Amino acid sequence: DTGVSQNPRHKITKRGQNVTFRCDPISEHNRLYWYRQTLGQGPEFLTYFQNEAQLEKSRLLSDRFSAERPKGSFSTLEIQRTEQGDSAMYLCASSLAYGGSYEQYFGPGTRLTVT
Amino acid sequence: GDSVTQMEGPVTLSEEAFLTINCTYTATGYPSLFWYVQYPGEGLQLLLKATKADDKGSNKGFEATYRKETTSFHLEKGSVQVSDSAVYFCAINAGGTSYGKLTFGQGTILTVHP
Repeated sequence: DTGVSQNPRHKITKRGQNVTFRCDPISEHNRLYWYRQTLGQGPEFLTYFQNEAQLEKSRLLSDRFSAERPKGSFSTLEIQRTEQGDSAMYLCASSLAYGGSYEQYFGPGTRLTVT
Repeated sequence: GDSVTQMEGPVTLSEEAFLTINCTYTATGYPSLFWYVQYPGEGLQLLLKATKADDKGSNKGFEATYRKETTSFHLEKGSVQVSDSAVYFCAINAGGTSYGKLTFGQGTILTVHP
């Protein structure tokens, strides 16, 4: 049983550069979520997909952020023109869409440092 | 909007002490409630959950009861171990217009000393 995987685990970039992160969900999960976590805070929701459809985006997701899930499997999160305020841990989670609890399983995260 | 308020930490206990971490929430719908744990250097793991009023979630000796009347979901453990040292997050999934996403509290750092 493989869990949610994320790559890379760490990324250091210079301000103004573009970065892309990848998330591979648990294989049978049709929902995929992105969250951002800054130091000392809980994760904050960014966006989520059901299959390939992006169903909700947070106001935190500025125009510099874009997420895709082209075939309803893995997802990518791209940040263009990175800023120092983008430094955070980016978490991906996946779940099944059934029942009432919608348990989400998280990956290890990608830690982004913008210098 | 939906929000979760957790007891501020850090919490420092001796091994075998009793643990309570308070969590209250505000939600527009009828939420499902969760506790997640983040061990040092690891990702978030689901610890326990409850989906309706008076449900008790339990796992690894931890328990939390869904209290709709007080909008609370306090985490308890009767006897903590050093291995329980981690950050604990309370979260809700409120459904309705916020269907799908989790709203988290700020986390409570627990340190257990031998």
